[in-house]
Amino acid sequence: KQEVTQIPAALSVPEGENLVLNCSFTDSAIYNLQWFRQDPGKGLTSLLLIQSSQREQTSGRLNASLDKSSGRSTLYIAASQPGDSATYLCAVPGNTPLVFGKGTRLSVIA
Amino acid sequence: DGGITQSPKYLFRKEGQNVTLSCEQNLNHDAMYWYRQDPGQGLRLIYYSQIVNDFQKGDIAEGYSVSREKKESFPLTVTSAQKNPTAFYLCASSALQGASYNEQFFGPGTRLTVL
Repeated sequence: KQEVTQIPAALSVPEGENLVLNCSFTDSAIYNLQWFRQDPGKGLTSLLLIQSSQREQTSGRLNASLDKSSGRSTLYIAASQPGDSATYLCAVPGNTPLVFGKGTRLSVIA
Repeated sequence: DGGITQSPKYLFRKEGQNVTLSCEQNLNHDAMYWYRQDPGQGLRLIYYSQIVNDFQKGDIAEGYSVSREKKESFPLTVTSAQKNPTAFYLCASSALQGASYNEQFFGPGTRLTVL
């Protein structure tokens, strides 16, 4: 059964820092991986989708990498801003279409 | 303006009542999903559907029912058999590529509270 772990569970950084969020999964036979952002009380916003044939994907200040063989993905956020404060979730296919991690709650302090 | 709508935003249910949550999408996606989110639990899949008139149970289907009579709509009924229904409910949709599911897009959610 696919299991997804995100470390750390919470992170607080000063504005301007570059930071890395980690995601690991137990079954490497995946065809894609998706990163989401969730603001309190809101739905999920898709940030990046990485296909299994890709090693990374970039959108603005966000860069996500995928290493299938080691069962890991990282989300790199450059020059963090207070508006980046949210919970970030990763998800991969498993016994259901997507299996989610519990997320990393990020606070960027001005 | 394409997207996924959920209604209502807030819903209150008395013990023993069935309630139905609405989800509509105009993205022309084949697949639709219902998730439940509880604090500290992450998202858990309730039901999903790949095609009209067909749906599959997710990890926590007990106490819930769904229908898929139209491609655009996937309502979720929370029945009185669901013992702890207070949660945040999220609907999502995605295109299908063969047997693979593409990028999922989410609605704004419905917060259900049992009184």
